[in-house]
Amino acid sequence: DNRLTQSPSSLSASVGDRVTITCRANEIIRKLLNWYQQKPGKAPKLLIYSTSTLQIGVPSRFSGSGSGTEYTLTISSLQPDDFATYYCQQSHSSPWTFGQGTKVEIK
Amino acid sequence: EVQLVESGGGLVQPGGSLRLSCTVSGFTVSNNYMTWVRQAPGKGLEWLSVIYADGNTNYADSVKGRFTTSRDNYRNILFLQMDSLRAEDTAIYYCTKCLSYGFDIWGQGTMVTVSS
Repeated sequence: DNRLTQSPSSLSASVGDRVTITCRANEIIRKLLNWYQQKPGKAPKLLIYSTSTLQIGVPSRFSGSGSGTEYTLTISSLQPDDFATYYCQQSHSSPWTFGQGTKVEIK
Repeated sequence: EVQLVESGGGLVQPGGSLRLSCTVSGFTVSNNYMTWVRQAPGKGLEWLSVIYADGNTNYADSVKGRFTTSRDNYRNILFLQMDSLRAEDTAIYYCTKCLSYGFDIWGQGTMVTVSS
């Protein structure tokens, strides 16, 4: 299986901060890497697919980049609505896998 | 309106079976890749299965041979047949639609509890 490792597992940040979450894969995933946001008690929401394509309706403060085995999600200026858990997920090779999640908390 | 609504969850004994349904509106199940994803209480997301537009399926190792994904093209419903259930299968189960291999539409989830 192509294991995805997110770092950090959690972080504390303030409104307005720039936040970066990294997702590392065991094997090359050719940019088939997606990011999700999940709030407590809710289903996950797709933010970015294929590394860098913003899903419709997602604010432009979210961006994604990467290649090979290393990918990042960046929130340019953290907003109150962004405190949540974020997951990366690869669809390059079966079984498709998720990272373990990164919880973004208020400092 | 595009919507996915899961049903069929509940309490089942270890070794038992359950069939989850995902009723789809707003798009055609058979024209899309559809997946099942689960989340154990307090844990992360786990991808379980995909059914492709051509009807082929693929599964996570943790459920291969025990779970089966299928669809009813006429009624536009996705199914997850779960057999030989174990305590570790206790989770919220979500169905999702795929967009460029990302999961763009999610249902609200249905809870499955495996316990004696």
